Amino acid sequence: DQQVKQNSPSLSVQEGRISILNCDYTNSMFDYFLWYKKYPAEGPTFLISISSIKDKNEDGRFTVFLNKSAKHLSLHIVPSQPGDSAVYFCAASSTGNQFYFGTGTSLTVIP
Amino acid sequence: DVKVTQSSRYLVKRTGEKVFLECVQDMDHENMFWYRQDPGLGLRLIYFSYDVKMKEKGDIPEGYSVSREKKERFSLILESASTNQTSMYLCASSLSSEDTEAFFGQGTRLTVV
Repeated sequence: DQQVKQNSPSLSVQEGRISILNCDYTNSMFDYFLWYKKYPAEGPTFLISISSIKDKNEDGRFTVFLNKSAKHLSLHIVPSQPGDSAVYFCAASSTGNQFYFGTGTSLTVIP
Repeated sequence: DVKVTQSSRYLVKRTGEKVFLECVQDMDHENMFWYRQDPGLGLRLIYFSYDVKMKEKGDIPEGYSVSREKKERFSLILESASTNQTSMYLCASSLSSEDTEAFFGQGTRLTVV
């Protein structure tokens, strides 16, 4: 059973606007959450993370929000740029020894 | 700079062949992972290893085995390749501690014909 879910397979956003990617999880033991970005024919690259003791983490144009009670996290990209077009995976971990990934959201930023 | 290197970017193998996918990391990480990525299914864990000669099954280990004889190297073995093992294979490594990310290799696109 999928413990980390990304219910939107794709998202299109105009350049300069905000992109919001969502992720839900079921395991309340998860305490560390990550977002990865993946281009075709390449491995995923780490983007940003958040520990369960926080509800927000920001890094430049990227902000991750965590709502533990709802078991929900989101990635905000603002302003969106065409180079942000990629597949975004959220991941969760409870021990640092295993990472559970969602199915990915394909983001297209339209110039 | 951290580095996870997979031995091949693209491989084409025949059904029934034994296939070896090699992965090397230079970060002295304890944990290493093999995932496969398929459209609509995301990244699914095949096997992982938290120490030399140690291995744990992931979500989809059937048809695969692994070997970790040295800390920096983690091999994925397809004992008898089948067409449903055509996929993108991704190796990753991480420190064995909390609040740490996994670093991925560039991936191997395997096609079984």
